[in-house]
Amino acid sequence: DARVTQTPRHKVTEMGQEVTMRCQPILGHNTVFWYRQTMMQGLELLAYFRNRAPLDDSGMPKDRFSAEMPDATLATLKIQPSEPRDSAVYFCASGLGLNQPQHFGDGTRLSIL
Amino acid sequence: AQSVTQLGSHVSVSEGALVLLRCNYSSSVPPYLFWYVQYPNQGLQLLLKYTSAATLVKGINGFEAEFKKSETSFHLTKPSAHMSDAAEYFCAVSDLSNFGNEKLTFGTGTRLTIIP
Repeated sequence: DARVTQTPRHKVTEMGQEVTMRCQPILGHNTVFWYRQTMMQGLELLAYFRNRAPLDDSGMPKDRFSAEMPDATLATLKIQPSEPRDSAVYFCASGLGLNQPQHFGDGTRLSIL
Repeated sequence: AQSVTQLGSHVSVSEGALVLLRCNYSSSVPPYLFWYVQYPNQGLQLLLKYTSAATLVKGINGFEAEFKKSETSFHLTKPSAHMSDAAEYFCAVSDLSNFGNEKLTFGTGTRLTIIP
């Protein structure tokens, strides 16, 4: 089965460091989503792309977070500088568009010390 | 805008008993509804989806859900719980409030515990 691949699976770093998370969507999928999951806030949508174009990043703190799709096989989420409150599991998902299910990767577990 | 409410953040059932996880939605247009399951240290996996073709939807692992427009509900059921069903379950609705918007609105999740 085709899968969404996320790297790294785990990341521990110190406050102030840059963090880059990567996602390889399922081949042929034209939408990509970034989510953050925490115990307190649950699952939050940070940003999403259609055909590599960013459509909505209203859920993302603009001053420190950025999301890009350099090409159709790679999506990145960067945090600079990182803060302890950014500790969470970050999920990438891809899909085939309107009313279609999203397929999730296994996430990046991020800990900011 | 659409919204989803999952009643009960924790549900416990005995092995072999009926599983019932509740989901109610609000939508001004016919919704597309989904159930996802999340096992520990994994991403969300699609269990089933409702796309208006049939009100009773069968999914993987013996789960099914029934769309009831009059009750604005999409509850998830399984006749006989198995230990491997222990996980967190999320209900989601397509956000059709803006044309071409592919976002899903997720519920807050229900953690299912199976008692041996």
